[in-house]
Amino acid sequence: GQNIDQPTEMTATEGAIVQINCTYQTSGFNGLFWYQQHAGEAPTFLSYNVLDGLEEKGRFSSFLSRSKGYSYLLLKELQMKDSASYLCASMDSNYQLIWGAGTKLIIKP
Amino acid sequence: ETGVTQTPRHLVMGMTNKKSLKCEQHLGHNAMYWYKQSAKKPLELMFVYSLEERVENNSVPSRFSPECPNSSHLFLHLHTLQPEDSALYLCASSQEIGTGSDIQYFGAGTRLSVL
Repeated sequence: GQNIDQPTEMTATEGAIVQINCTYQTSGFNGLFWYQQHAGEAPTFLSYNVLDGLEEKGRFSSFLSRSKGYSYLLLKELQMKDSASYLCASMDSNYQLIWGAGTKLIIKP
Repeated sequence: ETGVTQTPRHLVMGMTNKKSLKCEQHLGHNAMYWYKQSAKKPLELMFVYSLEERVENNSVPSRFSPECPNSSHLFLHLHTLQPEDSALYLCASSQEIGTGSDIQYFGAGTRLSVL
């Protein structure tokens, strides 16, 4: 079956760094997506990885290892506004997104 | 204007009611999607439309009926729902399905409560 695993909740301190992990098992693979969703708002696109390695975009970076079925989202210099849920999704061979349940990130002062 | 707009934002309905959710995208995309988001569960894909034709229906009960009159508008018609259908219903659009880097853009959703 198809499955995406990510931690349910994480807590971090303002100004620190946090890494949110995601492991995936899908029928085929056409890329790994990360989205951010603030409470009551739309999920918004953060990153897309299809090749192994690290993609950096400002304070946010995303890593992919296809051989391990593993990705992480790295958030640096955490700000209070980064408190949100982070959704990991793998695109399968039918170009359908298979979603994780999301990781709720709590930032403390 | 925001890219993907959903109305209403909140909806309370009885099990015998009929209501419709509306989604409009201003991004010039060819594909539109309906998702169900329940607390602490992954997003569940319900329907996919490409150029106004339904291309995916993930075993959704017939009490949910989608309609896509053109590439900018998507509706979800609801009738005789059950309390377990209470959830956040999200609409999304993307440039075109069938490409790996196809990014989906979401609306803020309709929070549905079925009494």
